[in-house]
Amino acid sequence: TQLLEQSPQFLSIQEGENLTVYCNSSSVFSSLQWYRQEPGEGPVLLVTVVTGGEVKKLKRLTFQFGDARKDSSLHITAAQPGDTGLYLCAGKMDSSYKLIFGSGTRLLVRP
Amino acid sequence: NAGVTQTPKFQVLKTGQSMTLQCAQDMNHEYMSWYRQDPGMGLRLIHYSVGAGITDQGEVPNGYNVSRSTTEDFPLRLLSAAPSQTSVYFCASSYPGYEQYFGPGTRLTVT
Repeated sequence: TQLLEQSPQFLSIQEGENLTVYCNSSSVFSSLQWYRQEPGEGPVLLVTVVTGGEVKKLKRLTFQFGDARKDSSLHITAAQPGDTGLYLCAGKMDSSYKLIFGSGTRLLVRP
Repeated sequence: NAGVTQTPKFQVLKTGQSMTLQCAQDMNHEYMSWYRQDPGMGLRLIHYSVGAGITDQGEVPNGYNVSRSTTEDFPLRLLSAAPSQTSVYFCASSYPGYEQYFGPGTRLTVT
C-alpha cells in the first residue's frame, strides 16, 4: 500500500493547456516536497511546503499544501514541452527522518 | 563539489550473486538514503542513515544490507541477487528534512 497516492498516473496534454496533479494521504506530514525527474536522471527538487494551507509559486507552477497537511497539489499553467517529466511528491512525518515518495505522475506535453 | 556519486552506472548480475553499489557525497550531509525505482513508478525507500554508525530500514529492506562507517559513504549490498531486484537504484543525501540531492542512479539487471 502506497502511503502517498498521486493522481493521475499519466497525463498527456497539448502545449498551452493547464493541469493539476494531486498527492493524497491519510497521514499527516510535517513537510512535503515536489520533485521532477527527467529520463536517465535523478529527481530534482522543485519546492518544499511546510505550513498547512501554504501556497508557493514557481513561475507557471503553483504548489499548495492542504490545511490538514495530508495532501498537496501542483498546478501548471500554460504547459510547455519543457515541463515533460515525472513529477513526484515526497512527505516527511514529524516522528521520522524518512522521506516517503508518492507513486509519481508522468506528464507529456505535446507541441 | 561532485555532489552525490554512484558506481557502477550499469550492472548485470546472475541470480545468487552478491555485489555492492557504491554511493559517496561531499556535502557533509548527515542523512543518506537508498531508493529503488521500478519502471513507471515512484521511488521506494530501501534503507537510510542519519549519521555515521546509524542505519535503519525503509519500506523495502529485504535482500539488502547497508553500513555507514563515514559521513561520506553509504554502500548498499545485495546479498544474493534475485530477478525481483532488477531496478534502478538511487542514492540521495541531505540535511534531515531538507532538499535531497540524488545521484545519477545505477541500473541493475539480474538474470
